[in-house]
Amino acid sequence: DTGVSQNPRHKITKRGQNVTFRCDPISEHNRLYWYRQTLGQGPEFLTYFQNEAQLEKSRLLSDRFSAERPKGSFSTLEIQRTEQGDSAMYLCASSLVQNQPQHFGDGTRLSIL
Amino acid sequence: DQQVKQNSPSLSVQEGRISILNCDYTNSMFDYFLWYKKYPAEGPTFLISISSIKDKNEDGRFTVFLNKSAKHLSLHIVPSQPGDSAVYFCAANSNMGGSNYKLTFGKGTLLTVNP
Repeated sequence: DTGVSQNPRHKITKRGQNVTFRCDPISEHNRLYWYRQTLGQGPEFLTYFQNEAQLEKSRLLSDRFSAERPKGSFSTLEIQRTEQGDSAMYLCASSLVQNQPQHFGDGTRLSIL
Repeated sequence: DQQVKQNSPSLSVQEGRISILNCDYTNSMFDYFLWYKKYPAEGPTFLISISSIKDKNEDGRFTVFLNKSAKHLSLHIVPSQPGDSAVYFCAANSNMGGSNYKLTFGKGTLLTVNP
């Protein structure tokens, strides 16, 4: 069990630039989740995939955000035209079936200059 | 509207004593509860969970208690060890309404275990 892997660990970019993060879930897990965590808060749900299908997007996910999971394996989260308020830790998690614990990666910390 | 509340931002205990972390929830549709531990610069690590059909679940030094009528759960760590020092998050989800994948987290409690 190699765990959930996220890259990059840190991303610093200027406001207005586009950024893309990658998540590799635990290999047999068919469910994949993205969360965002800001200082002093718990993780907040962004979106969920079952295999390659994106089944829900939170209202937190504006139209500048897009997530994909081609072939039901790794996932990418892209933020276009980044804003100061996008600065946060972006966490990816995966699970095998419902009511099984979600296992998290170490996150990508995004800093907007 | 915060549906999962951890009202104590921090807790300090002596090594060997019991640590009790508390969590309250407002959404009566929540039926699965989890505790995660988070060290700095790492992602949350799953600790223990409980389904609403139970009122207690134990795993080694960790026990979670669920009081559905009070919408309250607690995590007991006995005995506490310095390596337990971390932020602890309470999380919940619901199998009803098709949203059984979405975890709702509290803000976390920073536990410090003093040697």
